[in-house]
Amino acid sequence: KQEVTQIPAALSVPEGENLVLNCSFTDSAIYNLQWFRQDPGKGLTSLLLIQSSQREQTSGRLNASLDKSSGRSTLYIAASQPGDSATYLCAVRFEYGNKLVFGAGTILRVKS
Amino acid sequence: DGGITQSPKYLFRKEGQNVTLSCEQNLNHDAMYWYRQDPGQGLRLIYYSQIVNDFQKGDIAEGYSVSREKKESFPLTVTSAQKNPTAFYLCASTSSGGADTQYFGPGTRLTVL
Repeated sequence: KQEVTQIPAALSVPEGENLVLNCSFTDSAIYNLQWFRQDPGKGLTSLLLIQSSQREQTSGRLNASLDKSSGRSTLYIAASQPGDSATYLCAVRFEYGNKLVFGAGTILRVKS
Repeated sequence: DGGITQSPKYLFRKEGQNVTLSCEQNLNHDAMYWYRQDPGQGLRLIYYSQIVNDFQKGDIAEGYSVSREKKESFPLTVTSAQKNPTAFYLCASTSSGGADTQYFGPGTRLTVL
């Protein structure tokens, strides 16, 4: 069964810290992987998309890495700010399927 | 502005009623999706459509129905057969093939009274 797991479920850090969110998936045959941000009661906003042939993608203070062989991706957030507080979701499109499989998300709180 | 709109933002349903959630996109995307989100869980796929007049069941299609008569519209009907419909419903779209970013609407919160 194709599954996506995110650890930790929740994380609280002081402002200014660098942090890492983890995503693991059960099948290394993936097409791409996306990281999303969701604010309470809102839709999802795409942060980074990594194709299976890529190792990482960067956007501003965000860096996402992909290791297909170990079934892992990390989202690194540098110099965290209170405005980064949100739920972060990882989603994988596996090669054999026409859909994204989502993890349950990590709830991040950055304290000022 | 290009994007996805969902209406209404909040919807209340009585027991035994069918309700329809609207999803419209002006991104010229071929593929559209409906997800359900429950507290503490990831998104679960209800239905998806890769082209007009065609759609497929996702993981939790029972009690739901869809139509895709126009490229820009993909309405979802929650029928009385859906036993636990209270949830947050999200619509998304992507260009053909799914290699690109999936864009999401703002969501509809459905509550059964």
